[in-house]
Amino acid sequence: AQSVTQPDIHITVSEGASLELRCNYSYGATPYLFWYVQSPGQGLQLLLKYFSGDTLVQGIKGFEAEFKRSQSSFNLRKPSVHWSDAAEYFCAASLGAAGNKLTFGGGTRVLVKP
Amino acid sequence: EAGVAQSPRYKIIEKRQSVAFWCNPISGHATLYWYQQILGQGPKLLIQFQNNGVVDDSQLPKDRFSAERLKGVDSTLKIQPAKLEDSAVYLCASSLGGSISYEQYFGPGTRLTVT
Repeated sequence: AQSVTQPDIHITVSEGASLELRCNYSYGATPYLFWYVQSPGQGLQLLLKYFSGDTLVQGIKGFEAEFKRSQSSFNLRKPSVHWSDAAEYFCAASLGAAGNKLTFGGGTRVLVKP
Repeated sequence: EAGVAQSPRYKIIEKRQSVAFWCNPISGHATLYWYQQILGQGPKLLIQFQNNGVVDDSQLPKDRFSAERLKGVDSTLKIQPAKLEDSAVYLCASSLGGSISYEQYFGPGTRLTVT
């Protein structure tokens, strides 16, 4: 079955430190890949997406993600975390078939220590 | 531009009662989605509309859930009767079209608690 896995439920990072969130997918073919952020009481916001081409993708708010086909991974990174980055992050995938259905991972909650 | 609007933001009901959620998508967006997000999990697509037609409702529990999108704009999701396991945040999203190239914009959600 198609699935998206985020192995880390919680991550705590100090402000100014680097952040990496892991995402693995299990699909028969390479899916389209996305990272979303959800702040408390707000809807999901798209950070970045990967369709094809350059495997290092730049997004908003200083985030980037790297697609690695050999590892079926699409990890999200930020070099220096700000307190405002505390939120829940979701990796999602789609095969792009009719319907544009997104399958989400379980999410990783990021806490930022001052 | 205004975002996706949802109401109510919070709802508490007893099991076996009915409840309805409302969504107003971004103007001009032809595609509308309803997702269910159970605490500690990622969102799960319940139903997708293209204008006022259903594209995908494969994960909608049709014995108790129903949704409509009259005139291809606003949408209503209904649960009747509610069960304890329906406690979740219900997210509405919209996009210009159904293609993967169109970004989905999410509303703030309705948090439902069933007691």
